[in-house]
Amino acid sequence: SAVISQKPSRDICQRGTSLTIQCQVDSQVTMMFWYRQQPGQSLTLIATANQGSEATYESGFVIDKFPISRPNLTFSTLTVSNMSPEDSSIYLCSVDQGEGQPQHFGDGTRLSIL
Amino acid sequence: GQNIDQPTEMTATEGAIVQINCTYQTSGFNGLFWYQQHAGEAPTFLSYNVLDGLEEKGRFSSFLSRSKGYSYLLLKELQMKDSASYLCAVRDSTNAGKSTFGDGTTLTVKP
Repeated sequence: SAVISQKPSRDICQRGTSLTIQCQVDSQVTMMFWYRQQPGQSLTLIATANQGSEATYESGFVIDKFPISRPNLTFSTLTVSNMSPEDSSIYLCSVDQGEGQPQHFGDGTRLSIL
Repeated sequence: GQNIDQPTEMTATEGAIVQINCTYQTSGFNGLFWYQQHAGEAPTFLSYNVLDGLEEKGRFSSFLSRSKGYSYLLLKELQMKDSASYLCAVRDSTNAGKSTFGDGTTLTVKP
């Protein structure tokens, strides 16, 4: 299975600032996703990161708040913009290698906003 | 769309067997996955079913019935380290191949 490196692993940020999370995969993958997991809750899909084009956002998530880049098939970034305490969460990068293969997850970024 | 249901919490005793059920409704079923997630960590893949029947991997087995929209994860010889959340996820071929995750079942293993 693909090895996924996500960084930073955790951060504490000030209200109103922005943070960019990076996700690097050791092989080319078709689909990359970004999830949010708030304390005690399940995974919520933020968007699908599309290589060479704009990300596809799920209902309730917008590009201005969560801009995503995917310049190639092995790398993606998620930016959490203008952060507020409500954005405190774990953010997870995930990759899908296609038919018959499960999604695999990075170790996550634990984000706290003061 | 998809709807996935699994129990919120379960408790079992060390050494016992526990079965975690998952029911789903989907437009274009293309696989069901089980993940384990320990508190504060990322989900890790446990098992995958796309055809009906039982898949066994050591102490863990997963069963699928596509006609019933039903799966279960069976954990044998429970150990304390099995205390975690177990997530059922369904891939939908009509949803750009994306997987939808259930809310998870928190399993507590007691001595």
